[in-house]
Amino acid sequence: EAGVVQSPRYKIIEKKQPVAFWCNPISGHNTLYWYLQNLGQGPELLIRYENEEAVDDSQLPKDRFSAERLKGVDSTLKIQPAELGDSAVYLCASSFGTDDEQYFGPGTRLTVT
Amino acid sequence: AQSVAQPEDQVNVAEGNPLTVKCTYSVSGNPYLFWYVQYPNRGLQFLLKYITGDNLVKGSYGFEAEFNKSQTSFHLKKPSALVSDSALYFCAVRPPGSSNTGKLIFGQGTTLQVKP
Repeated sequence: EAGVVQSPRYKIIEKKQPVAFWCNPISGHNTLYWYLQNLGQGPELLIRYENEEAVDDSQLPKDRFSAERLKGVDSTLKIQPAELGDSAVYLCASSFGTDDEQYFGPGTRLTVT
Repeated sequence: AQSVAQPEDQVNVAEGNPLTVKCTYSVSGNPYLFWYVQYPNRGLQFLLKYITGDNLVKGSYGFEAEFNKSQTSFHLKKPSALVSDSALYFCAVRPPGSSNTGKLIFGQGTTLQVKP
């Protein structure tokens, strides 16, 4: 069974530039999560989808961050414009049910210069 | 505020010895509790979870965790450590209540170093 796929794995951009991350969850998993992981810290939830609906986006900085999951499968997380403080690892996870164990992708390491 | 604490940044243990990685939480009610492991340049992998029932939960790769409600702890244990267990371990809590559906609060992580 294929795991959660994320791309790109690494991204380096200059500040004020836009950037997008893509996630393909495990087949059949209805719930999809985007997390932010700063160095030396645990992941922090940005947004959670149930199918195509964003049911918890309270921690998403909506002035610069946006996300979509149009067909209830793949998802894209976008930052525009990026700031230096956005440098981190962005993790995508999926689960079959909302409170089931989550399966994480390898993450995208973003460096903003 | 709801929080998870992993009091040790790093745990060192010799191969073959038992290991314990500590986790305490500050959440009212009866939360769900999880342990995840993260290897370098890889995503987090689920190890085990506690929802209800027996306080000792068994998980993947020979790991187990003991839930202690009075001490609000959920320590990860393994009877005999392997060098390949060396990784970053995260404790996570799902607070009770429908408003917290799907919400995981992670600790800051503990690096486990197992030496041959």
